[in-house]
Order: sequence, then C-alpha cells, then structure tokens
Amino acid sequence: DGGITQSPKYLFRKEGQNVTLSCEQNLNHDAMYWYRQDPGQGLRLIYYSQIVNDFQKGDIAEGYSVSREKKESFPLTVTSAQKNPTAFYLCASSWAGQPYGYTFGSGTRLTVV
Amino acid sequence: EDQVTQSPEALRLQEGESSSLNCSYTVSGLRGLFWYRQDPGKGPEFLFTLYSAGEEKEKERLKATLTKKESFLHITAPKPEDSATYLCAVQVYGNKLVFGAGTILRVKS
Repeated sequence: DGGITQSPKYLFRKEGQNVTLSCEQNLNHDAMYWYRQDPGQGLRLIYYSQIVNDFQKGDIAEGYSVSREKKESFPLTVTSAQKNPTAFYLCASSWAGQPYGYTFGSGTRLTVV
Repeated sequence: EDQVTQSPEALRLQEGESSSLNCSYTVSGLRGLFWYRQDPGKGPEFLFTLYSAGEEKEKERLKATLTKKESFLHITAPKPEDSATYLCAVQVYGNKLVFGAGTILRVKS
C-alpha cells in the first residue's frame, strides 16, 4: 500500500543533542513537507521541498535542518539550537504545483528530557 | 498575511444533534480549501477539497460548503465515532497549505 512512513513514533532528546526524524514516502509524490503541531495551535510549516536536492524554509525553520537527496526521503534534524523542540511533528507529501490535498504520515512525538 | 480561523475551538454534541463547524479565511489568492480529520496521536486524514464559491461536497454524515470568505463543515446526526479534531487549510501560492487551529469535536452517546 502506498503511503508515508514516519519513524520513530516517540523520540526523547536530551538537552544539547541533535536528533533526526525519518520520513519516507512511496507515493511517487514530488513535494514533501514538515509541520510542527502544538496544542491549541494550527500546523506550522518548518521546511518544504518541491524537488530533489532543493528545499525552502517555512515559517519556523530556525533550529531545524533538512535534506532531500532522494525523492522518497525527507529527514528532519532538530538541532540543539531549537530551544523548545517538544511537539508533534508531521511529515506530508503531495504532487508539486497542483491544488491537491496532502497525504500525512502518522507523526513523531518528540519530548525533551 | 494569509490567515485561517476556525470556530468554535471545541464543540460537545449529543449523538444525533446536528451542528456546523466554521472556517473563515483571509488569503491573497485561494487555490483550494481542504478539510482534514485528525484523531489523537495520529496524522490528519483528508476529507474534502473545495475550489470555488458555491461548491459543496458530501461524505456520509459530513457536508462541506464554501463561500468567498468561509467554509462550513456540517455534521448531520453525528455518532461518537465522529469525535476528532477537524482541521481546515487553504492553499495559497506555490503548493503550501495554511492551517487553522482546528475544532475539537466530542460526540456523546
């Protein structure tokens, strides 16, 4: 079945650590996105990529980094520069340039310990 | 600045009690409006896309409508399994979606 796989489902980070969240899709979608979700707030865009080897900052990119070396994969690294990383992170994909809905992964909950 | 506002923030209904959720938007150029359902701890699940004022879409007990300034998600005779957070999003330039904060719906039997 086609879809988006995020891993791990739960992740714990110590102060000062970098952690990487995985996102893989087998839908052959061109575009991929990372959103952050906090209680009582809408999804906020961190980074997005419309094509391999190219990506753009979203609204809250500070403290995060991404890569897009393969069409299927769009990992997100939460660096130690992100001061408040505890949140639910969602990866999504879509056809580039078309007003179609996104397909979302099941999310990764990151907690700072 | 592109903005999406959903109301109410939370809604409690009795089973069978119909109601509506509102999504108002202020954007520079609407390419599409999307409704998603999200269960706790899971990713959003796509429900509807609306592209132009006057358009309507239906799926089981849900019906989405669109005007030039807002969209409504009507829930007819809801059941407990309809309990979830309902998210509204608008597509603006490029392919980015701007999301509202969501409406938390609880349906009690």
